[in-house]
Amino acid sequence: EAGVTQSPTHLIKTRGQQVTLRCSPISGHTSVYWYQQALGLGLQFLLWYDEGEERNRGNFPPRFSGRQFPNYSSELNVNALELEDSALYLCASSSTGAGANVLTFGAGSRLTVL
Amino acid sequence: GENVEQHPSTLSVQEGDSAVIKCTYSDSASNYFPWYKQELGKRPQLIIDIRSNVGEKKDQRIAVTLNKTAKHFSLHITETQPEDSAVYFCAASGHNNDMRFGAGTRLTVKP
Repeated sequence: EAGVTQSPTHLIKTRGQQVTLRCSPISGHTSVYWYQQALGLGLQFLLWYDEGEERNRGNFPPRFSGRQFPNYSSELNVNALELEDSALYLCASSSTGAGANVLTFGAGSRLTVL
Repeated sequence: GENVEQHPSTLSVQEGDSAVIKCTYSDSASNYFPWYKQELGKRPQLIIDIRSNVGEKKDQRIAVTLNKTAKHFSLHITETQPEDSAVYFCAASGHNNDMRFGAGTRLTVKP
């Protein structure tokens, strides 16, 4: 069974640009979570999608947005990039029912903003 | 929303000693408490979890305890080994089912 896959793995952008990160959850998982992990720091909650709907978002500005598609894959969009957006962006997925809340993480997309 | 605090931020132990990491949470409706281990350059991996209907869970050298009244839970690692060196994150799932993480504990096990 394929795990959570994220793309791209690495990317470099300049200030003011826009970026789109992609995540494919484990087959059968309907929930997708996005976290930001700045170097050496913790996992900051960004967004949570379930069944195509945004269920909750963390304390981030509106230039961070995303969506979930009918096949449960998800995109994270960041507009007007700032230097402090440089981080590892981790996606995780979970199922509903008995396995609810058990998050499986992807390998992440490392964004560098110059 | 849920707020999770984790202590200590760094922990250094000698091989063979025990390590304890503590977390508190704010949402009394939280009912799921996982622990993740993140080795350098790798993704977080679930190592143990506990749900609110039990007070303790053990898996070989790792155990987690939960005190719902006090809203805190702890990770205990016994007989530590160098390969236990990593960053450990606690998390709590709040009433709206999202997952919030603690700031992490960098554990170093000295040979």
